[in-house]
Amino acid sequence: NAGVTQTPKFQVLKTGQSMTLQCAQDMNHNSMYWYRQDPGMGLRLIYYSASEGTTDKGEVPNGYNVSRLNKREFSLRLESAAPSQTSVYFCASLQGRIGNQPQHFGDGTRLSIL
Amino acid sequence: DQQVKQNSPSLSVQEGRISILNCDYTNSMFDYFLWYKKYPAEGPTFLISISSIKDKNEDGRFTVFLNKSAKHLSLHIVPSQPGDSAGYFCAFTGTASKLTFGTGTRLQVTL
Repeated sequence: NAGVTQTPKFQVLKTGQSMTLQCAQDMNHNSMYWYRQDPGMGLRLIYYSASEGTTDKGEVPNGYNVSRLNKREFSLRLESAAPSQTSVYFCASLQGRIGNQPQHFGDGTRLSIL
Repeated sequence: DQQVKQNSPSLSVQEGRISILNCDYTNSMFDYFLWYKKYPAEGPTFLISISSIKDKNEDGRFTVFLNKSAKHLSLHIVPSQPGDSAGYFCAFTGTASKLTFGTGTRLQVTL
């Protein structure tokens, strides 16, 4: 029972390098989300996809791009990594209406940019 | 402008006693209120929720209270257990398909 799987779990990048964070869910959920968590800031929404083929910006989208490859997979790309993007990134998925149903989270990708 | 605030970054409670975690919000358009629990190196897991039309919801040792006039949400854990030691995040949702999270409170339950 995998749920939401994120790869990689850890990554160190140099400033300016590019990187794609992968997320896959096996629960046949329609909606998928990317968050970042920083100390004292809680989780902030970067991008989300309410259904296959659609994506929308969240609270902090600058410096990121996303692709909803199919119903299962939702990737997050950093085209030119900056130290301010050092964070823990969480992917989540949801079936049904948000609030009425809980989001399911992966265990995170810890990204350090030097 | 932060719409959701958890003013206590940390809380220490003795085992067996009540833990009370608080959350304040500014947006009156939120219609669902949730609590998530998070252990280090893991993703958040859903704990309990309440809709805006209610003022209380219970699930075992966990009770969530909503005071709409004060724009205040709280989570009571009774009795507290060592396994409850974790981070707790409140989260709110409105008309869009998005959650707004609080900054979190780290609960430590001591023996």
